Amino acid sequence: GENVEQHPSTLSVQEGDSAVIKCTYSDSASNYFPWYKQELGKRPQLIIDIRSNVGEKKDQRIAVTLNKTAKHFSLHITETQPEDSAVYFCAASSGGKLIFGQGTELSVKP
Amino acid sequence: EPEVTQTPSHQVTQMGQEVILRCVPISNHLYFYWYRQILGQKVEFLVSFYNNEISEKSEIFDDQFSVERPDGSNFTLKIRSTKLEDSAMYFCASNSNTEAFFGQGTRLTVV
Repeated sequence: GENVEQHPSTLSVQEGDSAVIKCTYSDSASNYFPWYKQELGKRPQLIIDIRSNVGEKKDQRIAVTLNKTAKHFSLHITETQPEDSAVYFCAASSGGKLIFGQGTELSVKP
Repeated sequence: EPEVTQTPSHQVTQMGQEVILRCVPISNHLYFYWYRQILGQKVEFLVSFYNNEISEKSEIFDDQFSVERPDGSNFTLKIRSTKLEDSAMYFCASNSNTEAFFGQGTRLTVV
C-alpha cells in the first residue's frame, strides 16, 4: 500500500545550524508533497509544499527538494532558531488524501 | 481568514458509547477529510468525502465509523461504539485543490 518513510525520527541542532529531514514515498502517482510543522497539542501547519513538476522550492529559510525518479523529497531549514523546535511531518498525495511520514522531532538548542 | 472549525475540542466518553465529532469546513471547499493521530504517532488518513459520499476510506475506517454532511455546512464523524484504542486526536480537513486546511482537532479520550 501507500507508504511514506521519514528520517530521522529525532534531530537536535545548535541554533544557527541547518537541519535536513528526508522522506521517501512508495506511490508513484503521488504528485503533491507538503511539509507540516506541528507544535504540541496543535494542528499540523503547512510550512511549504512542492508539486511533482518542480524540483526545488524555497521560502526564506525553508527549502524543499524533490527527486521523482528516486521518490525522495527533503526539507532543509537554514539558520535554525529555537522557535523552529517542533515535530515536522512530510506527506505525499495523489488525489487529495495525505499519507504522512512518521514525523521528526526537531530540537534547536540556543 | 477562513478556517476549519471543530467541536468539541475535547471529548471524554465511556467505552462502548457513541460519539459524534463535528467539523465546519471552509465554505467553498469541496473535499473533506478525517484524520486521526494517536498520541506521539503520525497523522493517519481515515476517510475522504466528496459530493455527499465517501470517495475513499482506510483500513482504520471500519463499520464502527461513519461520516455525514447533514446540512450542507457541518461534516461529522460518528464512532458507534467506542473502544479504548479510539483515543486519539481527530482532525478534520478540507481543500479545494491540493492544499489541505486542518481544523484544530478534537481530542477523544475513551475511558
